[in-house]
Amino acid sequence: QVQLVESGGDLVKPGGSLRLSCAASGFDFSDYYMSWIRQAPGKGLEWLSYISSRDNTIYYTDSVRGRFTISRDNAKNTLFLQMHSLRTDDTAVYYCARGGDGDFWGQGTLVTVSS
Amino acid sequence: DIQMTQSPSSLSASVGDRITITCQASQDIGNSLNWLQQKPQKAPNLLIFDASNLETGVPSRFSATGSGTHFTFTISGLQPEDFATYFCLQYNTPPFTFGPGTTVDIK
Repeated sequence: QVQLVESGGDLVKPGGSLRLSCAASGFDFSDYYMSWIRQAPGKGLEWLSYISSRDNTIYYTDSVRGRFTISRDNAKNTLFLQMHSLRTDDTAVYYCARGGDGDFWGQGTLVTVSS
Repeated sequence: DIQMTQSPSSLSASVGDRITITCQASQDIGNSLNWLQQKPQKAPNLLIFDASNLETGVPSRFSATGSGTHFTFTISGLQPEDFATYFCLQYNTPPFTFGPGTTVDIK
């Protein structure tokens, strides 16, 4: 069955960096766009970025453009989100999702940015 | 960016009730809209794709209609497991955007 498992969430100081991973299984990862979405505590959902199946199309929302980088390793069925210059308002549960339309989601990983 | 407004923000209902949630897009998104359900401390789960298509395995009491800028989502005969928060998501134009959510709780 389809599985997405995020990892890498941690407590980090403002200005710090973190790399999230999302391990995919149960489907042909290299055929799908993949997305990152986050949810701040008690808040709604914010779509952050997507990457096409072969890397040639990438999009970021304004709040993370220039600070976050999405990438993928199709040989290892893994999606990544490299985050730099983290701010307190980046504190959230970060989800990876299959497709640009999020037809399947992982369980999320918590990123806490605090001094 | 396309803004998604969703109403109501919350509603109280009883088991067996029929409820309707609406999402309005700030510009035409065709049928590029999904409806998702989220339970506390859980990841969202896709219920409806392309505005009106039921995801495999989702009970038929869930339905949705709409295109362009106005969309509706209905649960016909609420079940105890349906008390949750529901979001719409437009994926017509990046950045993709979510509605703010509708929390359905027990009356």
